[in-house]
Parts: sequence; C-alpha cells; structure tokens
Amino acid sequence: KNQVEQSPQSLIILEGKNCTLQCNYTVSPFSNLRWYKQDTGRGPVSLTIMTFSENTKSNGRYTATLDADTKQSSLHITASQLSDSASYICVVSPRSGANNLFFGTGTRLTVIP
Amino acid sequence: SQTIHQWPATLVQPVGSPLSLECTVEGTSNPNLYWYRQAAGRGLQLLFYSVGIGQISSEVPQNLSASRPQDRQFILSSKKLLLSDSGFYLCAWGHRGVRYEQYFGPGTRLTVT
Repeated sequence: KNQVEQSPQSLIILEGKNCTLQCNYTVSPFSNLRWYKQDTGRGPVSLTIMTFSENTKSNGRYTATLDADTKQSSLHITASQLSDSASYICVVSPRSGANNLFFGTGTRLTVIP
Repeated sequence: SQTIHQWPATLVQPVGSPLSLECTVEGTSNPNLYWYRQAAGRGLQLLFYSVGIGQISSEVPQNLSASRPQDRQFILSSKKLLLSDSGFYLCAWGHRGVRYEQYFGPGTRLTVT
C-alpha cells in the first residue's frame, strides 16, 4: 500500500533554533518528492522538489534531503523565524498512474519567541 | 504569471442545502485542474481532476460532483450537503502533462451545520 508518513505530528521550537522534519514513504515506483508549506487557512506552497536521483535541495533556510534507498526524506529549517509557523506537508508522486499524488498528514510547526 | 482564485473563502451551510464552489485560473491555458478536501488532522484527499473542458475524473465516490464549463474554470457542487462534507477545500492547477507539478489556491473553509 502506498503511504506517506510524517513525524513528528507537531513541534514547538524557539525562534532562532533549527529543526528537522521527517517523511517516510512506501510509494513505489517513485518519481519525485515535494515539500509544501501550508499556513493556517491557506493553500500549500511548494518549497522543494526532488527526483529519485537528487540527494539534497535547498530553498533559502529550508534544506530537503532524500534517501531513495531507505525511502526517507527530511526537511531541515535553519535559524527558524516566527513566520515559519505552519504545517509542512510531504507529497510523493509515483512514476506511473494518472493523477495520484500521495500526501502526508503534515507536521505542525510552531515557532515561539 | 499564473494566479488561481477560489471563492468563497469561507462558507457556512445547513445540512441538506446545495453547494457551489468556484475556482478559476489565470495566466495559463489547458491546465490540469484538481479539487482536494482537507479534513482536520488529515492529509489532502483528491476528489476530482480534469484534463480538459467537460472531462472530469472522480477519485472518491461521494456526495459531491465537479464540472469544468470553461478551460480555466472548475466548479465543485453538491445537491444536498452532509455534515461530513465539512472541511477545507482546495483547488489546484498543473501544467498539462506535468502531473506532479500542482499549484494550490487559497482554499474554501466549508462548515456544514
């Protein structure tokens, strides 16, 4: 069964600290993996996208890593800011299939001053 | 640049009433269009997708229907709402042929009372 699991479910950190969010997936065959940021009450916005041949991708203070062998990805946020408070969603696209994407349930990150 | 609009932003409807949510995309042609629902604490669930005018595919059998009367317009409807229809509805678009590239709208918060 194709699944995407994220951990932790929620996380609270102090402003300025770093954090790492995890995504494990069983989707196979695998095409690519995206991390989205979703502010409360808003639509998700793409942060990074990685294909199976890419190990890391950065977008400012966000760095995503991918290990296609172990089917794990992480999103590392450096020097967190209050505006980083949001849900972070991992989305995996299978290589075949029409329009199915597999979504994780997200990690709710709260950055406090 | 491309822009995706959804309205209304929030909606409170009684059980048994009809529903119509609208999504429009600007700045692109022949997009793939998608409707998702996000229940509290749950991942995004694909409801419908469309690869062209009048072409609708349903992913989950339910109380809802979708239509695409124009190239960049996607409508989500229901004849009689159920309590379980409450949730956050997201419209997304993607380039034709690029299945995994999806850009989300701002969403509609629907509460069925």
